[in-house]
Amino acid sequence: GAGVSQSPSNKVTEKGKDVELRCDPISGHTALYWYRQSLGQGLEFLIYFQGNSAPDKSGLPSDRFSAERTGGSVSTLTIQRTQQEDSAVYLCASSLASAKWAQETQYFGPGTRLLVL
Amino acid sequence: GQQVMQIPQYQHVQEGEDFTTYCNSSTTLSNIQWYKQRPGGHPVFLIQLVKSGEVKKQKRLTFQFGEAKKNSSLHITATQTTDVGTYFCAGRMMNRDDKIIFGKGTRLHILP
Repeated sequence: GAGVSQSPSNKVTEKGKDVELRCDPISGHTALYWYRQSLGQGLEFLIYFQGNSAPDKSGLPSDRFSAERTGGSVSTLTIQRTQQEDSAVYLCASSLASAKWAQETQYFGPGTRLLVL
Repeated sequence: GQQVMQIPQYQHVQEGEDFTTYCNSSTTLSNIQWYKQRPGGHPVFLIQLVKSGEVKKQKRLTFQFGEAKKNSSLHITATQTTDVGTYFCAGRMMNRDDKIIFGKGTRLHILP
């Protein structure tokens, strides 16, 4: 079946511009995660959505970052007034987990490579 | 703050040698997951460990979860060129609902 998809695959923007990154999770997955991965670095957790619960935004690095998940499916990550340090690969993952300690395999999308000039 | 430390950061091994990466958490984990990321690819889930002292095997890969549920290891026996990539651990913090922290990963290079 279809996996997690993300768009665009690559985005080049100028410093100060806003960008929107999109994630389509696997159908039926209630949990959705955003991460970013800077060059040569590990994954950095950004935000987590689980069903209708309030999202866990504890990983967002600044108030320039925000995310929405409409209708419990598609999610968009918005970065306002981009800075050069925002350049990274932004990864989305979804999971079937509907209970707190359920099996939580995360399926990752291919990522969006963001370059801020 | 809460951290998941992963060592080593890089490892070069000759093909056929064994390889181990270690993951240590500053707090007790409810579970730990391991992922593999091939060069240019995205992370792919390998396994989840939940129980204290748990050991799981996948062919040449052996995963262990410590008795205190604060550390974990991934051991690869007789490495092959297909094992090249970065191995990440991801720990779910027991004292914070739904918080997952990834280690920085161990990048494995195989020398032919």
